[in-house]
Amino acid sequence: DAKTTQPPSMDCAEGRAANLPCNHSTISGNEYVYWYRQIHSQGPQYIIHGLKNNETNEMASLIITEDRKSSTLILPHATLRDTAVYYCIVRALNQAGTALIFGKGTTLSVSS
Amino acid sequence: DGGITQSPKYLFRKEGQNVTLSCEQNLNHDAMYWYRQDPGQGLRLIYYSQIVNDFQKGDIAEGYSVSREKKESFPLTVTSAQKNPTAFYLCASSPTTENTEAFFGQGTRLTVV
Repeated sequence: DAKTTQPPSMDCAEGRAANLPCNHSTISGNEYVYWYRQIHSQGPQYIIHGLKNNETNEMASLIITEDRKSSTLILPHATLRDTAVYYCIVRALNQAGTALIFGKGTTLSVSS
Repeated sequence: DGGITQSPKYLFRKEGQNVTLSCEQNLNHDAMYWYRQDPGQGLRLIYYSQIVNDFQKGDIAEGYSVSREKKESFPLTVTSAQKNPTAFYLCASSPTTENTEAFFGQGTRLTVV
C-alpha cells in the first residue's frame, strides 16, 4: 500500500468546515483513497472513498487533486460529535488477499 | 440487527494465561480481520481471513492464534507468548478482501495483570 501522511492533530470550531489533508504522493493509478474515523474507544467507521473524481455523501466530501498526490476530507459543518481520529488510507480496490492498513491518523478536536 | 459483535467489552486476565476474544458477524461477509490498538497509536493488523478455514498473518501475529471454522466467527486467542497483551482489540469484516468498506466491532479492551 502507498504511504499516507497526515497532520497529527487539528482543531475546528463547531459549525465551521473541517478540512483534513492527506498526502499520498506515491499513489498508484489503481489505488483509491479511503477515509475512516474512530471516535474514542469505538471501532473505526467508514466515511467515504474515491479514485480521482470528487465525491460527496451524507457525511463528508472528498476532494482529490488532479495529480492524485493529495486529498482533503471536508466535514462541511463540524459538530462536537465529529471529534475523532480520522484515517486516510490508499489501496487498490481489487487487491485480494490483503487488509486495510491504518496509520496514526489526524485527531480532530471540535470545540464550541 | 445486522452487525459485528465483539465480546466481552472489558476483559481482565492474569499474566501467563491464554485468553480468547470473541468476534461474530451476521453480515454474511467472507473476510474478517483482527487489529490491535495501543494508546495514541493507529491500528495494527494481527490476522485476517479471506474465507472459512483460511487465514493469514498480519504485521504482528506473534503470540496470537486464530481459527475460522465458521463464516460467522473469527475468535482470537492471545497466548502467554504475547509479551505485551494489554491493548484494545478490534475485529472487522468486509464482503471480501477486495472490498475495503470494512465494518468494525466495538472492540474488547484486554488488561493483563
